[in-house]
Amino acid sequence: EDQVTQSPEALRLQEGESSSLNCSYTVSGLRGLFWYRQDPGKGPEFLFTLYSAGEEKEKERLKATLTKKESFLHITAPKPEDSATYLCAGLHSGGGADGLTFGKGTHLIIQP
Amino acid sequence: DSGVTQTPKHLITATGQRVTLRCSPRSGDLSVYWYQQSLDQGLQFLIQYYNGEERAKGNILERFSAQQFPDLHSELNLSSLELGDSALYFCASSEAASGAYNEQFFGPGTRLTVL
Repeated sequence: EDQVTQSPEALRLQEGESSSLNCSYTVSGLRGLFWYRQDPGKGPEFLFTLYSAGEEKEKERLKATLTKKESFLHITAPKPEDSATYLCAGLHSGGGADGLTFGKGTHLIIQP
Repeated sequence: DSGVTQTPKHLITATGQRVTLRCSPRSGDLSVYWYQQSLDQGLQFLIQYYNGEERAKGNILERFSAQQFPDLHSELNLSSLELGDSALYFCASSEAASGAYNEQFFGPGTRLTVL
């Protein structure tokens, strides 16, 4: 069964304190690894897609990387407005199902 | 703003009832996906439609059904509602039916409360 596991479940950082969020997956025939940001009561906001091991993508203070078994979302010098739940999702091949398999997310709090 | 719209924003109903949730995809997107988000299960894929045809099914209950209309908007019908159906329901859209570069963009969601 395809699974996406995120850690930690929650993370509290001081403003400016860099850290990384982890996403490990057991998705057969992974076609893409997606990162989303979700604010309370709102829909997930697309951040990145990674397709092959070694790939990296950056956006402002966020950088996503992908290995053969996991992905990391690095946050550099975060600000309070970066507080949100970060979701990782895998898209697998086969079976005709194009729905994403989501992890349960990391709830990130950045304290001023 | 992703460009995906969903109505209503909130819905409160009773057990045993039937409701319809509506979604309009981004301009130009042909695929619509429905997801359910609950506190214990996280985001779960329900069903995908592409250009009016059902494309893929996930963890969708038999009491739930969906369709996509010629103007590409989609409706998710939930019937014989149970307390456990209370959740946030999200619609997402993408350009194509499938493919590695087929990013999905999510709407703001409908919060369903079953009393």
